[in-house]
Amino acid sequence: DAKTTQPTSMDCAEGRAANLPCNHSTISGNEYVYWYRQIHSQGPQYIIHGLKNNETNEMDSLIITEDRKSSTLILPHATLRDTAVYYCIVSITGNQFYFGTGTSLTVIP
Amino acid sequence: SAVISQKPSRDICQRGTSLTIQCQVDSQVTMMFWYRQQPGQSLTLIATANQGSEATYESGFVIDKFPISRPNLTFSTLTVSNMSPEDSSIYLCSVAGRSGTDTQYFGPGTRLTVL
Repeated sequence: DAKTTQPTSMDCAEGRAANLPCNHSTISGNEYVYWYRQIHSQGPQYIIHGLKNNETNEMDSLIITEDRKSSTLILPHATLRDTAVYYCIVSITGNQFYFGTGTSLTVIP
Repeated sequence: SAVISQKPSRDICQRGTSLTIQCQVDSQVTMMFWYRQQPGQSLTLIATANQGSEATYESGFVIDKFPISRPNLTFSTLTVSNMSPEDSSIYLCSVAGRSGTDTQYFGPGTRLTVL
């Protein structure tokens, strides 16, 4: 079963930061937090992942709380192309994923 | 990232028939998985495809309905047997354990419609 809970939907104005929260209060010490984006029922695309430290890639940031019970994916300057469903998943590296419902993000012009 | 292809990309099938979906990855991987995504829903794990042995199925999925093969470290098939309209979904494979990365990558999916 999924170990994460996310808001069902969120809106964000184009050009503003989108902060996508995820709760994972039962995360184990060896489980990573992964974030994926799914657009129009294509295969989910990997965004970023982390264990306990904050992570940043070219476009997005992952903030993990010190107790690791929650995290936030930050899209610093949302564009219309960021409209998608975002999934937060906790898993041991190389293991299967159990998906929650995800957050449907709509970026508004 | 891994390059994953699935065949067919989509199909329309008649009730009672079977369809085999292929998943090919461009390099050897340790783990391969199959997921189903029903219309408007999230992804549900069907099974882990084990190389050289029987797949490991999740609760609610059985080998007779979803037989899986994995003959080597780059290829797997999922068969949807004796199809009914309730099997209309997107079927996705994913891979993990690619050398140098701890990320799971997903294929583009196969959109199946059963009439």
